[in-house]
Amino acid sequence: NAGVTQTPKFRILKIGQSMTLQCTQDMNHNYMYWYRQDPGMGLKLIYYSVGAGITDKGEVPNGYNVSRSTTEDFPLRLELAAPSQTSVYFCASSSRQGQPQHFGDGTRLSIL
Amino acid sequence: AQTVTQSQPEMSVQEAETVTLSCTYDTSESDYYLFWYKQPPSRQMILVIRQEAYKQQNATENRFSVNFQKAAKSFSLKISDSQLGDAAMYFCAYRGSGNTGKLIFGQGTTLQVKP
Repeated sequence: NAGVTQTPKFRILKIGQSMTLQCTQDMNHNYMYWYRQDPGMGLKLIYYSVGAGITDKGEVPNGYNVSRSTTEDFPLRLELAAPSQTSVYFCASSSRQGQPQHFGDGTRLSIL
Repeated sequence: AQTVTQSQPEMSVQEAETVTLSCTYDTSESDYYLFWYKQPPSRQMILVIRQEAYKQQNATENRFSVNFQKAAKSFSLKISDSQLGDAAMYFCAYRGSGNTGKLIFGQGTTLQVKP
């Protein structure tokens, strides 16, 4: 059982480049989330989705976009990479209200 | 807005001893969920324990237990018989009763276990 899978695990981008962080889950969870974790800090919510076709902003959405065309996939798009987006990104999913979130292994992204 | 505060940036414990990590939160909701997650150097986020606010009984998972004080809005984690593998960053997280399921995290506490 793969759970939540994130790709890539590491990436270096130049300022102004674009990229998509991929997230897929095989647990048929309706709820999916993207968080970022800056060094020595807790996780902050970027975007979330409560089902296919439904997305909403979290605490720190600026500079990011998401889509949710299927239950399984929830990609995160960076359009114009900036040094402030250097962080570790986590994707998570959960089945329903009150159930714990399952996390992917994270993507370490550096913008130089 | 809800907030979660972990006031201990770092803690240390001797192997086999007991340590308690503190967490306080602020909310106006009466129904919610609280979690402790462990993040070892591998960076994985691992669920340690979960508490439903409507349950008065404190949650327990093997060597891990919580002291949930709803009126004081406090949710501390006790680790008994500490092991070297417990060394990690620990995050307290709050999830409200709304249908979004969003988690709000504290800043984390780094736990060092001394042999």
